[in-house]
Amino acid sequence: QAQLVESGGGVVQPGRSLRLSCTASGFRFTHFGMNWIRLAPGKGLEWVAGMTSDGRGEYYGDSVRGRVTISRDNSKNTVYLQIHSLRDDDTSIYYCARDIDTSGHISQFDPWGQGTLVTVSS
Amino acid sequence: QSALTQPPSASGSPGQSVTISCTGTSSDVGGYNYVSWYQQHPGKAPKLMIYEVNKRPSGVPDRFSGSKSGNTASLTVSGLQAEDEADYHCSSYGGNNNVLFGGGTKLTVL
Repeated sequence: QAQLVESGGGVVQPGRSLRLSCTASGFRFTHFGMNWIRLAPGKGLEWVAGMTSDGRGEYYGDSVRGRVTISRDNSKNTVYLQIHSLRDDDTSIYYCARDIDTSGHISQFDPWGQGTLVTVSS
Repeated sequence: QSALTQPPSASGSPGQSVTISCTGTSSDVGGYNYVSWYQQHPGKAPKLMIYEVNKRPSGVPDRFSGSKSGNTASLTVSGLQAEDEADYHCSSYGGNNNVLFGGGTKLTVL
């Protein structure tokens, strides 16, 4: 059974950086694109970033482009999200989610991890 | 403000049907058949309920159905059950390797 487990969240001061990790199990990691999606308090889900199965394609949401970097280590079945210059409005639960299939088309996600909470506060 | 528009709330009594809308533009919902719906219970991870407008993953009850007309997609839950009470999020491919979500709808089973 496919499973995703995020880690790395916590309380971070504004302006600092943070790296989140997501470790996958139960499926062939190298065959699937991976994504980060966040849920801020009182708001809807927001797609943050996606990366192709081979790591050659990386894509970002408009609101975070330039401040975040997605990467993956296929030898560790892990995908990462580095967030720079953290702001108050980055406070969210960050979910890792797998592409629904191996087509390479980033648009639909299954499964999702349980999420890791990032709180930006001084 | 989310890119796709959903009503903030919806409700129905057990056994009834309820439909949740998701409105976008011709550049996203109306332009692609990559509309998906996710169910999220409090404190839990989102769960895929519908993909490619009207397809159900294995294990999702056939009480859940999806459709699309123009720039508006819809999720219908028939034969409402108590466990259907949750937040529902719609999503659409937005072109140029971008994905959009709605603001979410809280479904209450009365």
